[in-house]
Amino acid sequence: LAKTTQPISMDSYEGQEVNITCSHNNIATNDYITWYQQFPSQGPRFIIQGYKTKVTNEVASLFIPADRKSSTLSLPRVSLSDTAVYYCLVPRRTGFQKLVFGTGTRLLVSP
Amino acid sequence: SQTIHQWPATLVQPVGSPLSLECTVEGTSNPNLYWYRQAAGRGLQLLFYSVGIGQISSEVPQNLSASRPQDRQFILSSKKLLLSDSGFYLCAWTRGINQETQYFGPGTRLLVL
Repeated sequence: LAKTTQPISMDSYEGQEVNITCSHNNIATNDYITWYQQFPSQGPRFIIQGYKTKVTNEVASLFIPADRKSSTLSLPRVSLSDTAVYYCLVPRRTGFQKLVFGTGTRLLVSP
Repeated sequence: SQTIHQWPATLVQPVGSPLSLECTVEGTSNPNLYWYRQAAGRGLQLLFYSVGIGQISSEVPQNLSASRPQDRQFILSSKKLLLSDSGFYLCAWTRGINQETQYFGPGTRLLVL
């Protein structure tokens, strides 16, 4: 499983766009890039996944450069309810695996 | 649709007492199942995983054990709890084929006193 590095914490204000970057220098050809969100006292929740270029859903966008050695989770116009821990993982596309969740990025959105 | 249940939601136990946490998955068959523990303000630590009934793999040595008596049931146990067993316990599952997405249960908060 590719190792990931992301900032420990970030601060933002309501209505701003937040970009969280994750580096995964040893990502393999068969690896996806996946982001999870965790609120206090809840389990992590899958929010977005991509392989290359850009992926967008109703929650976030994921930008992946051509070399795939990093990725950026973009949260448009954050609200107080986006305060959470965000985890970046790079699981393989197929086969059994054990996902490893690091400490993630703690995002605090203030009024 | 698939759902995952954990109980109890919270538990306060004395040191040395036994433990049994249960996790069940509905709406899917032959899932891969996982037990994680999360200490306050920390990441998730993988404790056990299972690819089928009766098949358990342990990730870290500890006084906890896991069992999978049925396809969609995963149980975390201990004969004698330690103070260090306190934490937030999460059960998760993945599909057999599309495994890159894990689905987590609501968790059990355990406090050992």
